[in-house]
Amino acid sequence: SAVISQKPSRDICQRGTSLTIQCQVDSQVTMMFWYRQQPGQSLTLIATANQGSEATYESGFVIDKFPISRPNLTFSTLTVSNMSPEDSSIYLCSVKGSGGYTFGSGTRLTVV
Amino acid sequence: RKEVEQDPGPFNVPEGATVAFNCTYSNSASQSFFWYRQDCRKEPKLLMSVYSSGNEDGRFTAQLNRASQYISLLIRDSKLSDSATYLCVVNTGGYQKVTFGTGTKLQVIP
Repeated sequence: SAVISQKPSRDICQRGTSLTIQCQVDSQVTMMFWYRQQPGQSLTLIATANQGSEATYESGFVIDKFPISRPNLTFSTLTVSNMSPEDSSIYLCSVKGSGGYTFGSGTRLTVV
Repeated sequence: RKEVEQDPGPFNVPEGATVAFNCTYSNSASQSFFWYRQDCRKEPKLLMSVYSSGNEDGRFTAQLNRASQYISLLIRDSKLSDSATYLCVVNTGGYQKVTFGTGTKLQVIP
């Protein structure tokens, strides 16, 4: 299965600022997925990132708040913009391989 | 009705016990089903896919009931190391999109 390198692993940010999270995959993949996991809850899909086209956002998530880049088949970034304490969460990227979905190790974001 | 529903638990069981988790899904067109395991402060990791005929991997058995739209996970001879949250994952749309259940927390007690 694919190996994903995600960074940063954690950050503490001031409200109103932005944070960009990066995921690097060791193989080429068509789609990458970005999830949010709020404390004590399961994963919620934010958007699906396709190389060469705009990301597809799920209900409740918008591009202005969570812009995504997908410059090639092995890399993607998610930016959490104009952060507020409600954005404190774990953010994970994921790809689908032959054996199921693989996740990055997650970015634990705290907004103060 | 939620797309994917699980009993959140927690399930507290003694070592050696057998424990079963169920998960129901609402989209009858769902095609792919998985069980994931998530340890505290870690990312989810694939435990096993769920096949129509049911499948087994050591102490773990997964089953699918399409008519009733649920999947199950059975863990036999529970170990302390099985303590984790078990996530039911279902393909709920096209282009590989999946939905996660809220997870069932298992605590195996010595």
